[in-house]
Amino acid sequence: GQNIDQPTEMTATEGAIVQINCTYQTSGFNGLFWYQQHAGEAPTFLSYNVLDGLEEKGRFSSFLSRSKGYSYLLLKELQMKDSASYLCAVMDSNYQLIWGAGTKLIIKP
Amino acid sequence: GAVVSQHPSWVICKSGTSVKIECRSLDFQATTMFWYRQFPKQSLMLMATSNEGSKATYEQGVEKDKFLINHASLTLSTLTVTSAHPEDSSFYICSAKGLAGDSGEQYFGPGTRLTVT
Repeated sequence: GQNIDQPTEMTATEGAIVQINCTYQTSGFNGLFWYQQHAGEAPTFLSYNVLDGLEEKGRFSSFLSRSKGYSYLLLKELQMKDSASYLCAVMDSNYQLIWGAGTKLIIKP
Repeated sequence: GAVVSQHPSWVICKSGTSVKIECRSLDFQATTMFWYRQFPKQSLMLMATSNEGSKATYEQGVEKDKFLINHASLTLSTLTVTSAHPEDSSFYICSAKGLAGDSGEQYFGPGTRLTVT
């Protein structure tokens, strides 16, 4: 079966750095996405990785290792507005998105 | 660019009635649209995938006669919840994928919150 695993909840301090991990087992791989979702709102796109390595975009970076079936989202200089759920999603061989359950990130002052 | 709208943003209806939700891609042509449902504190659950001009593909456990999907054009898909019941109360989100050749990123609409009383 297809499976995406990420921690249910994480807590971090404002100004700090947090890494949210995602491991996956899917039938084929055509890219991995990270989305941010604030409570009561739809997800918004953060990043896309299809090749191994690190993609940096401002305070957010995403890393992928296809051989390990592993990705992480790194958030630096955390701000209170970063409190949200972070969803990892993998596109399988049929170009369908397989979604993780999401990681709720709580930022404390 | 890549804006997806949904209408209405929220709706309250009585049990037994039907509700139609529209999903529009405003500045691009969406070859594929997806309909998701999300219950409180849970992840997105894909309900169905629709391609313009063809019948939607429903996920296992989703009743196609209850959740009618029409993707009549490259910019519009509709989801009709027929004979709604309180357990259908949820956050319904659509997303759209553009033409082939892009990364496959899905662009999400703002969601529609349905409450069935």
